[in-house]
Parts: sequence; structure tokens; C-alpha cells
Amino acid sequence: QKEVEQDPGPLSVPEGAIVSLNCTYSNSAFQYFMWYRQYSRKGPELLMYTYSSGNKEDGRFTAQVDKSSKYISLFIRDSQPSDSATYLCAFRNTGGFKTIFGAGTRLFVKA
Amino acid sequence: NAGVTQTPKFQVLKTGQSMTLQCAQDMNHEYMSWYRQDPGMGLRLIHYSVGAGITDQGEVPNGYNVSRSTTEDFPLRLLSAAPSQTSVYFCASSPRAGKENTEAFFGQGTRLTVV
Repeated sequence: QKEVEQDPGPLSVPEGAIVSLNCTYSNSAFQYFMWYRQYSRKGPELLMYTYSSGNKEDGRFTAQVDKSSKYISLFIRDSQPSDSATYLCAFRNTGGFKTIFGAGTRLFVKA
Repeated sequence: NAGVTQTPKFQVLKTGQSMTLQCAQDMNHEYMSWYRQDPGMGLRLIHYSVGAGITDQGEVPNGYNVSRSTTEDFPLRLLSAAPSQTSVYFCASSPRAGKENTEAFFGQGTRLTVV
């Protein structure tokens, strides 16, 4: 079983839709949960950072962590064409300095 | 404030050649790291550094060397390039080197092709 599973998509939605992006993981030691956005031919940008379980909101973005199910989600409300990018989930545990990334989900928001 | 700067942006190497990918940050960040990104495999950690003079191996270190003589610079050296090292390479940094601190800033990447 892979340590992190992320559906590669592509996911195509109309402008204004609510988008749900998800990752599952197998390592119970993960304590820090991140979402990055990567535009084509650019470096990733840190979008959301969450410690342990719960929800975190930042503007149109909400990150949700369910440690009991080993499942994290990123919701994008009122999606815009500028949200079209690849979204990477990422994880860290308390035992070291290494961040584990998912392979990314490609999102297209159509105007 | 330029952030994380990587050079070159593109490079083609012949098998067996060596080269250095440059990475510099002007934010006085403690933590720096190198990743490679391959289709369908996500970002994989090559080497990282928690401060000047301190480096350690990541998930895929074979064939690569690093050094951190200053806080600002973290070059990645390919010792003898192989076609399997064809990839996009990203350098990243974070203000602090604590275990809770994830990669906060990435460079624009270097696209390397080994023929």
C-alpha cells in the first residue's frame, strides 16, 4: 500500500462550483497536513497548513483532516478559472524533517 | 526580495557528465531542501539542510551531492548524469528547521534532460 494516495484526475468543473479534493494516507504518525497549489511549469505554493485533526478556513479554501479515517480534504468554494492547477497534498510526522507529497490532482475550472 | 532562485531553468546533459544546480534564497531561511518531480510520482526528497554546514539524505539521494557552506546557498551536484535523472528539480526553503515546519517557498524549477 502506498503511503499517500491521491487521485490524479483530471477534475473538470464549471466556474462557481464547489470543488472537493482528497487524499488518503496510511502512516499514523503524520501530524502535519498541507495542501500546495502548482500552476503549470511553476513551483508549488503552500496553500494550507493544518496540525492534527479538524478544519481550517482561509478565504474560499477549507482544509479538513480526519485522522481516524486517515483522510484529508481541500474544499474550494466559488471556484474560478484561476484555480485551474495541480493540487498536492503533503504530510509530515513528528519524527523527522521529511515532507511526503501526494502525486497531485489536476483541476480545470471552466469559464 | 527574490525568494528562492534556481539556475539554470533548463539543461541538457550527456550521460556521464557532471553539473551543479544552483539554489539561493535571500530570506535568511534555516531549512532548505531539494526535490525531484516525475510524472505520476509526486515530489521526492533528495537532500535537505537544517542550517549552514548541516545536510542529510532524503528519499532518493543516490547520484547526488549537496553542501551548505552559507545560509543562502544550497547547490545540488549530479556526479555522473544518467537518463534516470531526467526530471524537474525544485529547491525549497522554510524559515525554521523545526520538525513542524514544512516547505514554505519553492523555486521555479530546473528542467533537466539526460541523453
